[in-house]
Amino acid sequence: EADIYQTPRYLVIGTGKKITLECSQTMGHDKMYWYQQDPGMELHLIHYSYGVNSTEKGDLSSESTVSRIRTEHFPLTLESARPSHTSQYLCASSERVGRGASFGTQYFGPGTRLTVL
Amino acid sequence: SQQGEEDPQALSIQEGENATMNCSYKTSINNLQWYRQNSGRGLVHLILIRSNEREKHSGRLRVTLDTSKKSSSLLITASRAADTASYFCATDSASYGKLTFGQGTILTVHP
Repeated sequence: EADIYQTPRYLVIGTGKKITLECSQTMGHDKMYWYQQDPGMELHLIHYSYGVNSTEKGDLSSESTVSRIRTEHFPLTLESARPSHTSQYLCASSERVGRGASFGTQYFGPGTRLTVL
Repeated sequence: SQQGEEDPQALSIQEGENATMNCSYKTSINNLQWYRQNSGRGLVHLILIRSNEREKHSGRLRVTLDTSKKSSSLLITASRAADTASYFCATDSASYGKLTFGQGTILTVHP
């Protein structure tokens, strides 16, 4: 079982609130990712990090921001939540496999289901 | 359009039957991975097949990879009701520099 944790699991919040979704892993992985997924749909990469002080935007434009101050911690923040942010947010981590940019197994947290009213 | 596409979008079978899901992709890959997601949960890694491999087994799972056709299939043999979930393929492509997930196949296994 993967040692990657997300809190909260469920969050219902009003428009305009600032929220932070927590993600932590105890596997010592350098790479971490945030995906957004609507029910029954594909995953969209919104942020990723290759290590401490490294953050990059993913494919899907997102108003959220991330930080990576510690290897094990990769929080996602929404400064002002809106109903369009309602979705499931999945955090994952992985370690580099072999040489080059090859990716190995990604380990996923249980997800945070966010509802913005 | 996206790198990984799966079909069918949904598959409904009886317990004991085999389930086959397919994944096609567009650019060359380092490896292809299959994941499973139970409703409302995170994804769980099932199997990884490298670009120089053609077939891989893990328990009741069999994955094939045909790089000439840029396609992969996941076969679940002797399915069980507990196999009910969404199954995603993900491609690791040097062109994209990240893991790209398909839309998934929703598998329902009826007892």
